[in-house]
Amino acid sequence: QKEVEQNSGPLSVPEGAIASLNCTYSDRGSQSFFWYRQYSGKSPELIMSIYSNGDKEDGRFTAQLNKASQYVSLLIRDSQPSDSATYLCAGGPSTSGTYKYIFGTGTRLKVLA
Amino acid sequence: KAGVTQTPRYLIKTRGQQVTLSCSPISGHRSVSWYQQTPGQGLQFLFEYFSETQRNKGNFPGRFSGRQFSNSRSEMNVSTLELGDSALYLCASSLTPQGPNQPQHFGDGTRLSIL
Repeated sequence: QKEVEQNSGPLSVPEGAIASLNCTYSDRGSQSFFWYRQYSGKSPELIMSIYSNGDKEDGRFTAQLNKASQYVSLLIRDSQPSDSATYLCAGGPSTSGTYKYIFGTGTRLKVLA
Repeated sequence: KAGVTQTPRYLIKTRGQQVTLSCSPISGHRSVSWYQQTPGQGLQFLFEYFSETQRNKGNFPGRFSGRQFSNSRSEMNVSTLELGDSALYLCASSLTPQGPNQPQHFGDGTRLSIL
């Protein structure tokens, strides 16, 4: 079973700090990785995608991918209370698996005002 | 551009009944995937459709089925409902399933409660 693992949290950070969310994956064939934000009672919203090793920045968000270590992370700079949500990491498609996307169970982030 | 539309938003059923959920993808998107989300299990993949054909299927019993129409709209059916089927059912669409770099966009989901 191909897996994507995340610490469930909650991860609490003060307003204005950097929040660091981490994700590991077991399928070396995974080609793309996505970060989704999900507010309570809402559907997941795509915030970042990353396909190559290294960093990708978009506004306050930076995604990092290390395929050798099978590790993906999301950094949120200048965290705001509105960033409080569950962040889902997803990997796929895979050259070796049958599923298109595999999701982690999410990390709950709490930004304290 | 309209997003992914799921209907109904809420549904209450009793054990043994069946239910059909509907999903209209973003215009131009031809791939539709269905997920079940529960607090304990997170997002679990049900199946994916492209060009009216099921391409992938998750580890769910045969009571869960789906189909896709020529306009890319998709329906999911669950028969003989069980209490454990209570969940948020999410539909996601993408342009195509081919190759990497195809992010999925989610609808608001259908919250199904089984009494």
